[in-house]
Amino acid sequence: DTGVSQDPRHKITKRGQNVTFRCDPISEHNRLYWYRQTLGQGPEFLTYFQNEAQLEKSRLLSDRFSAERPKGSFSTLEIQRTEQGDSAMYLCASSSIVAVLRNEQFFGPGTRLTVL
Amino acid sequence: RKEVEQDPGPFNVPEGATVAFNCTYSNSASQSFFWYRQDCRKEPKLLMSVYSSGNEDGRFTAQLNRASQYISLLIRDSKLSDSATYLCVVNERGGGSYIPTFGRGTSLIVHP
Repeated sequence: DTGVSQDPRHKITKRGQNVTFRCDPISEHNRLYWYRQTLGQGPEFLTYFQNEAQLEKSRLLSDRFSAERPKGSFSTLEIQRTEQGDSAMYLCASSSIVAVLRNEQFFGPGTRLTVL
Repeated sequence: RKEVEQDPGPFNVPEGATVAFNCTYSNSASQSFFWYRQDCRKEPKLLMSVYSSGNEDGRFTAQLNRASQYISLLIRDSKLSDSATYLCVVNERGGGSYIPTFGRGTSLIVHP
């Protein structure tokens, strides 16, 4: 257990529904990352925050994807109008300023999304 | 073409064997390089950073070849517990930030 938690761990939804995932990073970590991972592939970067500022969001997969970190602590990732192709594991990771120098990100267990 | 490429394997080796993985990257401006390990149905965890001069951590040796744009991971005296997927990570410049770009991973199976 790295200390990063994600909720829910599993989500099954119907196509067209909106879903929201939550990530709670390690408490002193100021950077928070979101990734998507599909079977047989490595994690695919989506976006990241430094404190409450979203510093990179060009890799979000479409305008249906959005993320927030309003108080610089937990973060949410929302997918609107889900499609079957959105089915994947969504991973959150966090790092501290010191850990960033080593690129050490601590990953949570992920939220597995299934879109029917 | 994928930005970071790895042979998915699996590499199937006996205990005690030495095994090496390569990872190639396409962006010559990439700044930093790492290997992560991911066990089945688990989250990735940092294994080691890769320094220009090469670096070693116990049975693991990582090397970087900037001219040919590849990094390597060598595992000596393989253990059953080394069975996992090894992910190559390259920090690439994107917009105003460095974006961690993962390869698809190389699967290692160490058998008795």
